[in-house]
Amino acid sequence: AQSVTQLGSHVSVSEGALVLLRCNYSSSVPPYLFWYVQYPNQGLQLLLKYTSAATLVKGINGFEAEFKKSETSFHLTKPSAHMSDAAEYFCAVTLTNTGRRALTFGSGTRLQVQP
Amino acid sequence: DAGVTQSPTHLIKTRGQQVTLRCSPKSGHDTVSWYQQALGQGPQFIFQYYEEEERQRGNFPDRFSGHQFPNYSSELNVNALLLGDSALYLCASSSPGQAANTGELFFGEGSRLTVL
Repeated sequence: AQSVTQLGSHVSVSEGALVLLRCNYSSSVPPYLFWYVQYPNQGLQLLLKYTSAATLVKGINGFEAEFKKSETSFHLTKPSAHMSDAAEYFCAVTLTNTGRRALTFGSGTRLQVQP
Repeated sequence: DAGVTQSPTHLIKTRGQQVTLRCSPKSGHDTVSWYQQALGQGPQFIFQYYEEEERQRGNFPDRFSGHQFPNYSSELNVNALLLGDSALYLCASSSPGQAANTGELFFGEGSRLTVL
């Protein structure tokens, strides 16, 4: 079975500061990893995905994540936070690389951006 | 191009009642998955439908059932509602392609169910 753990249910940064949201995974086989963002009263939007092509993955809105097998991590970063980045962020894992995958989500990290 | 649409957006039920939630997938998608997101939690996979059959199921009791219609739309039914069923129910659609180019999950905005 696979799982993800998101360290820190709440993260607060100042506008313009580095954003770092942590995700560690557990999987017996190479996983496929995702970061999703959820704005208030909305569904989930895909930020980026790791599907074994490259360990450093760039996503939308200036976010990127690096897959580190030795650390079983897939942390999400953004060099400079913007007020519009305030949202809930979810890390997810699956063992299936098709559109018929079932995702296992972490419990989420709420990002606050202070002016 | 309409994305994933869900109805109703909000509803209130009492314990023991039954509820039906509906989902229309994004154009071109044939696979529909349902997720339950309790307050303050990440989404949990309920089940997935394609070719009008349930194909995968998460750890949810039989009170949760579903259906997929020939036009790929789907329903989620929950019987004998419990207080703990209060949650945001998310529908996601996808096509069966490989993730590198296609096959991404597109989520609707959800149906928020409150059980009193």
